[in-house]
Amino acid sequence: SQQGEEDPQALSIQEGENATMNCSYKTSINNLQWYRQNSGRGLVHLILIRSNEREKHSGRLRVTLDTSKKSSSLLITASRAADTASYFCATDAGESGGGADGLTFGKGTHLIIQP
Amino acid sequence: NAGVMQNPRHLVRRRGQEARLRCSPMKGHSHVYWYRQLPEEGLKFMVYLQKENIIDESGMPKERFSAEFPKEGPSILRIQQVVRGDSAAYFCASSIGLAQFFGPGTRLTVL
Repeated sequence: SQQGEEDPQALSIQEGENATMNCSYKTSINNLQWYRQNSGRGLVHLILIRSNEREKHSGRLRVTLDTSKKSSSLLITASRAADTASYFCATDAGESGGGADGLTFGKGTHLIIQP
Repeated sequence: NAGVMQNPRHLVRRRGQEARLRCSPMKGHSHVYWYRQLPEEGLKFMVYLQKENIIDESGMPKERFSAEFPKEGPSILRIQQVVRGDSAAYFCASSIGLAQFFGPGTRLTVL
């Protein structure tokens, strides 16, 4: 079953603004990952945050993880038109930190950046 | 409407054998994506197929790996002469538009 639930389902903002997407999950995890998908393309891995980490940065991306609330957020600062895509969170609860039994995807947030 | 199905869920092969992983997309979906996940890493895109066509195979290793999505039947990811480094979880996803729906994955272990 899919336990990652992104919120909101769709988000439209002006170029230059910050975009925040949230993800909630239900069970204990080893790590949580964020992905981007452009229309008709494969997923691109953005960031992986482990269960013992609280915050991680990569360029204009900032991810937080609150294991007590079972939630994560992805912040994209100074958004650009090229950031328009769907963003997915995935939780990894497998025994060895990865694998067929552990990775579960949410339905995604569709982000539109208006020029 | 059943979700994306993958089988087998777990596959064990000895070095040099062949591995065949199957993915049945959701009903009505004509696009299939294959991904590989190594432990503690994110998914890595391998190949994108539509019925009878390979659209993007930029993530596929040049040798031993092949994929097909025939007009009838599931998509197949085939790995010939497996090596220990092929041990990973392999996920497929299907779509008809923007959203991708993921299967539960196949864990391949090469002894």
